[in-house]
Amino acid sequence: GENVEQHPSTLSVQEGDSAVIKCTYSDSASNYFPWYKQELGKRPQLIIDIRSNVGEKKDQRIAVTLNKTAKHFSLHITETQPEDSAVYFCAALTQGGSEKLVFGKGTKLTVNP
Amino acid sequence: GAVVSQHPSRVICKSGTSVKIECRSLDFQATTMFWYRQFPKQSLMLMATSNEGSKATYEQGVEKDKFLINHASLTLSTLTVTSAHPEDSSFYICSASDIQGRANEKLFFGSGTQLSVL
Repeated sequence: GENVEQHPSTLSVQEGDSAVIKCTYSDSASNYFPWYKQELGKRPQLIIDIRSNVGEKKDQRIAVTLNKTAKHFSLHITETQPEDSAVYFCAALTQGGSEKLVFGKGTKLTVNP
Repeated sequence: GAVVSQHPSRVICKSGTSVKIECRSLDFQATTMFWYRQFPKQSLMLMATSNEGSKATYEQGVEKDKFLINHASLTLSTLTVTSAHPEDSSFYICSASDIQGRANEKLFFGSGTQLSVL
């Protein structure tokens, strides 16, 4: 089955700097890759997603890149703000049989003022 | 955006009792809902896929007789932890995708239920 690896597990940056979180997946048939943000004590919320027919997608300060050949995708946050501090999860949608999202282990991002 | 309501938010129970958790999609219909377990500072571990009108699909290692799932309507799925034990203490969270959306992509999550078994 699909296996999603996420790095780093923790990331600390200064306000205004950029943050990059990377994920790799194992199933080349996976074709949808969302990123979720989970603030402390709150539910995960979708922040951006990308399909396998696109190499990059941007939404204001957030961007996601996908390299299908290498089977990895990354989340880029520019001009980080303290409110960006949260745990970020990447995921890949499995194909074949029942479709379901397989999540990475998460990255705790801390943006220091 | 779509709203998924999950209740209760916190449960404390004695060992051996059963606990029911409800997951409702408030403003959309969901053929499929998902149940996860999340340990502190860890990822979302999929337990089972709840299918409206049919049996749930359980992930490997998850006991279907212990974690009973019922998806009786397009807006409600329930997870019952039967004969709960301290090792079942965890954060349980559900998610759902809009029936009009693509497959099981854009998931909306409930607020989670913190279960503590004494």
